[in-house]
Amino acid sequence: GNSVTQMEGPVTLSEEAFLTINCTYTATGYPSLFWYVQYPGEGLQLLLKATKADDKGSNKGFEATYRKETTSFHLEKGSVQVSDSAVYFCARSAGGTSYGKLTFGQGTILTVHP
Amino acid sequence: ETGVTQSPTHLIKTRGQQVTLRCSSQSGHNTVSWYQQALGQGPQFIFQYYREEENGRGNFPPRFSGLQFPNYSSELNVNALELDDSALYLCASSLSGGAGEQFFGPGTRLTVL
Repeated sequence: GNSVTQMEGPVTLSEEAFLTINCTYTATGYPSLFWYVQYPGEGLQLLLKATKADDKGSNKGFEATYRKETTSFHLEKGSVQVSDSAVYFCARSAGGTSYGKLTFGQGTILTVHP
Repeated sequence: ETGVTQSPTHLIKTRGQQVTLRCSSQSGHNTVSWYQQALGQGPQFIFQYYREEENGRGNFPPRFSGLQFPNYSSELNVNALELDDSALYLCASSLSGGAGEQFFGPGTRLTVL
């Protein structure tokens, strides 16, 4: 079945440090890939997405590239801020006609200190 | 444009009771999906509704049921509540042709005692 695996956290960084959160997915079908962010006490917000191989999603300084050869969609940011502290979820769609159903990774807690 | 809204925000029930959670989809969206997020975990897909019909279901027992109304709003019903049903329940709306992009509501926090 479909699955998504994220690097285990929590991740603690100092402000302006470089961020990488690894994500790999099962290579069934032709999924779209997503990163969602969840701030304390809130629902999920879409951070970025990529719908096909070699696409790069980007938003608010975050980037991720859809790598079919390595089945990966790693999240990166060159310089994190305290306001980036949140839980980050990698997700894949089911693909095909059921692409609306998302499978999520377990989440990575990011804490950024001043 | 109104986003996805859910009610209630918090709910406390006891084992064996029944609960109904409500969701209003984002304007123009005809598809609603429900997810269960246990503490410290990623959301798990419960089911999806499209044009008032169930359009796929995750690994949840039949006591989890739902409805979608002509205005695309939706309800999640859970019967015979168990302690493990305690979680954040998230509703997400989307367009059927939206390449999987879903817009999430703030969730309903259900506690089962």
